[in-house]
Amino acid sequence: DQQVKQNSPSLSVQEGRISILNCDYTNSMFDYFLWYKKYPAEGPTFLISISSIKDKNEDGRFTVFLNKSAKHLSLHIVPSQPGDSAVYFCAASRGMKTSYDKVIFGPGTSLSVIP
Amino acid sequence: DSGVTQTPKHLITATGQRVTLRCSPRSGDLSVYWYQQSLDQGLQFLIQYYNGEERAKGNILERFSAQQFPDLHSELNLSSLELGDSALYFCASTTSGVTGELFFGEGSRLTVL
Repeated sequence: DQQVKQNSPSLSVQEGRISILNCDYTNSMFDYFLWYKKYPAEGPTFLISISSIKDKNEDGRFTVFLNKSAKHLSLHIVPSQPGDSAVYFCAASRGMKTSYDKVIFGPGTSLSVIP
Repeated sequence: DSGVTQTPKHLITATGQRVTLRCSPRSGDLSVYWYQQSLDQGLQFLIQYYNGEERAKGNILERFSAQQFPDLHSELNLSSLELGDSALYFCASTTSGVTGELFFGEGSRLTVL
């Protein structure tokens, strides 16, 4: 049972344009959502997060939107840069309720930004 | 550098063997998570420890076990290895009270021949 889904295995975007990565979840108990970025031969690194009490969080070129009723979140990268080419993982947890819960990751979306 | 150290970085072994992967968390982090990433797969949650106690368990096989020691380092033991166990194994750590911002090591790549 995949609780966090990223239905697009890959995405290709022109440099300077917007990249939109999507994520869906099934467990309504999740209350904290995160995006991680992974380069080859490295561990994932935290990018941006959002709690369920918000619908938007922005950090520089990165914005995460949360639609709780649709159980959907998205990551927008504007403008996209070649260095953004990586695998992006969506993750979810019940962290607001307990600090010690599992963090569930989606399968990842490989983003290629074309110069 | 995330501050999380995993050893070994690469390991090649044969089916039926047993291996131990080691993780040293960031200084001050009490919680350690283990994830498995098989080829073209996402990060599958295996197990979580907090200050020496098991706190959450994922789809970890019975052939796998883990523990967290008093000095907070953790070990993941994989036994009776099968070809399908070949994967990247990531360790991540975090402080208590953090809602999921994990700091990952670079991973241990296990190849079972």
